[in-house]
Amino acid sequence: NAGVMQNPRHLVRRRGQEARLRCSPMKGHSHVYWYRQLPEEGLKFMVYLQKENIIDESGMPKERFSAEFPKEGPSILRIQQVVRGDSAAYFCASSTGSEQYFGPGTRLTVT
Amino acid sequence: KQEVTQIPAALSVPEGENLVLNCSFTDSAIYNLQWFRQDPGKGLTSLLLIQSSQREQTSGRLNASLDKSSGRSTLYIAASQPGDSATYLCAVSGNTPLVFGKGTRLSVIA
Repeated sequence: NAGVMQNPRHLVRRRGQEARLRCSPMKGHSHVYWYRQLPEEGLKFMVYLQKENIIDESGMPKERFSAEFPKEGPSILRIQQVVRGDSAAYFCASSTGSEQYFGPGTRLTVT
Repeated sequence: KQEVTQIPAALSVPEGENLVLNCSFTDSAIYNLQWFRQDPGKGLTSLLLIQSSQREQTSGRLNASLDKSSGRSTLYIAASQPGDSATYLCAVSGNTPLVFGKGTRLSVIA
C-alpha cells in the first residue's frame, strides 16, 4: 500500500504566478488535510476535506488560497498570485478518521 | 484555543543515554495525541498515537505517556542511537484537526 504521495516535491514560482500542489491519499483514505510549515515555525493546519466537500477551512488564508478534493483524482491546493511569504513546506495528510499519515511535502519557493 | 508546547527546543545527548521529551497542551478535551519524527527536509513519520482513553503506548525503544487531566505527554527514548537524531513533534487532535508543537530537535552524538 503506497503511502501518501505529493507532487511536485519542489516548486519554484515567481511572484504573481500560480502554484498547484497535488496530494494523493493512501488507498482507502477519504479524509485529506493540508498543513503549512513556515521556516522555523511549527506545522499549521490549513484545510480538511473529504471527497467533494470542504469540512473545515478555518486555517486557510482568506484570499488567494483554495483547495479541492474531487470525486476522482488527487486533492489540489491552489495558491494564486504567490508572494514571497508563501514560501514554505506544504504537507498533506490522509486518514480514515483517526491517525493521520503524512506525505513527504512540497517545498514551495517564491522568487 | 489549543496550544501545544514542547520542551526543550533542542537536546544533545551522547549515544546510549535514555532521554525524555516533553509536550504540554492547554485544552484537555482531546481525542488523541500523536508523536512524529521529522528528518531535515523530509516529511513526518508517525511514531506513536495515544487515544484519549489510553495512558501510554510503546513501540520498540519508544514509550509515550499521556496525562490528559494535566495536559502533558512525554516521549521516552531508551538507549539512544545516532540514527535517532531528528526533530520530534507532538500534536493533539480535538474539535479541530491536529495542533502541533514546534518540536524538539534531538542530536545523538556517537
